[in-house]
Amino acid sequence: KQEVTQIPAALSVPEGENLVLNCSFTDSAIYNLQWFRQDPGKGLTSLLLIQSSQREQTSGRLNASLDKSSGRSTLYIAASQPGDSATYLCAVPQAGTALIFGKGTTLSVSS
Amino acid sequence: DGGITQSPKYLFRKEGQNVTLSCEQNLNHDAMYWYRQDPGQGLRLIYYSQIVNDFQKGDIAEGYSVSREKKESFPLTVTSAQKNPTAFYLCASSFLSGRYEQFFGPGTRLTVL
Repeated sequence: KQEVTQIPAALSVPEGENLVLNCSFTDSAIYNLQWFRQDPGKGLTSLLLIQSSQREQTSGRLNASLDKSSGRSTLYIAASQPGDSATYLCAVPQAGTALIFGKGTTLSVSS
Repeated sequence: DGGITQSPKYLFRKEGQNVTLSCEQNLNHDAMYWYRQDPGQGLRLIYYSQIVNDFQKGDIAEGYSVSREKKESFPLTVTSAQKNPTAFYLCASSFLSGRYEQFFGPGTRLTVL
């Protein structure tokens, strides 16, 4: 059964630092991988979706990479800002439909 | 405005009560999903539906029921058989072709009194 792991569970950085969040999955036969952001008490906001045929996707200061063969994805955040403070979740589809989630990385960016 | 709405935002349940959480989408998505989020446990799938009048159990379906009478609506009922229902409930939807990207509603926080 597919399992998704995110490391680290929490991360604190000063404003302006570049950072990398990690996501690993046990079954490399995935259709895509999705990164989400969640603010406290709120729903999930989709940040990036990488199709299985892609190596990376970029949106503004965010860059997500995918290495299916090693079962890993990274989310790179450039020039972090206090507004980036949130929990970041990665997820992969199970049987092409519902998502299996990691437990998330909670990021705190201090000014 | 296209999106997913959930109501209510906060819900309180007494022991032995059934309560229903609403989820509506106007994105014309085929599939809809219910997830439960507990601190330290991540999101877990309760039920999902790919077509009207059909739905499948997820990993933690016991104590929950759903219906899909309309494409845009997927209500979740938390029954008295659910022993520990206090959690944050999230509804999502997606197409069943193309990117399969899932979009989420704002969530309902259910507390048992």
